[in-house]
Amino acid sequence: AQSVTQLGSHVSVSEGALVLLRCNYSSSVPPYLFWYVQYPNQGLQLLLKYTTGATLVKGINGFEAEFKKSETSFHLTKPSAHMSDAAEYFCAVADRGSPLGRLYFGRGTQLTVWP
Amino acid sequence: DTAVSQTPKYLVTQMGNDKSIKCEQNLGHDTMYWYKQDSKKFLKIMFSYNNKELIINETVPNRFSPKSPDKAHLNLHINSLELGDSAVYFCASSQNRDTDTQYFGPGTRLTVL
Repeated sequence: AQSVTQLGSHVSVSEGALVLLRCNYSSSVPPYLFWYVQYPNQGLQLLLKYTTGATLVKGINGFEAEFKKSETSFHLTKPSAHMSDAAEYFCAVADRGSPLGRLYFGRGTQLTVWP
Repeated sequence: DTAVSQTPKYLVTQMGNDKSIKCEQNLGHDTMYWYKQDSKKFLKIMFSYNNKELIINETVPNRFSPKSPDKAHLNLHINSLELGDSAVYFCASSQNRDTDTQYFGPGTRLTVL
């Protein structure tokens, strides 16, 4: 089974600062990769995903992530944090060729944005 | 229009009771899922259905029984509720492909007393 590691359960940044949320996966075969965001008392919303092609993926709200096969990583970044970015962020992976839609989630990173 | 809806949003009940959570999606998707999010926010898949057929059945106690009357609905029935069942349960749906985005409902917070 896949293992997804999100380094740092809590990340705090100032408004306008760079946001960097880390995600590493365990499999030797690169999986499909996803970042989801969960605002308080809401369900999860997809930020971006990587399936194939260009390794730098752009998502909603100014976020992007880069797939690095050599590092088995898919870190999420945003150049300038906004107060509205405060939320829980989940990295998730799905094995290529696995049963439909089996997503393995990391344990999440709580992002706090200070004014 | 809500894409994936769940009812109820909150559910408080006593140990030993039986309860159900309903999920409906109006996206025309073929696949639906149930996830459990524990108190530490860890999300784990429980079940998935594709066109009313059970596809994924993780190691979940058989007190949990999903039912899909049609491909737009996936309900979760829980018998003999235990304290450890307290969690947030999310329903999700996607098109019939493993790379497809999963759309999540708002969640049902179950508290077992």
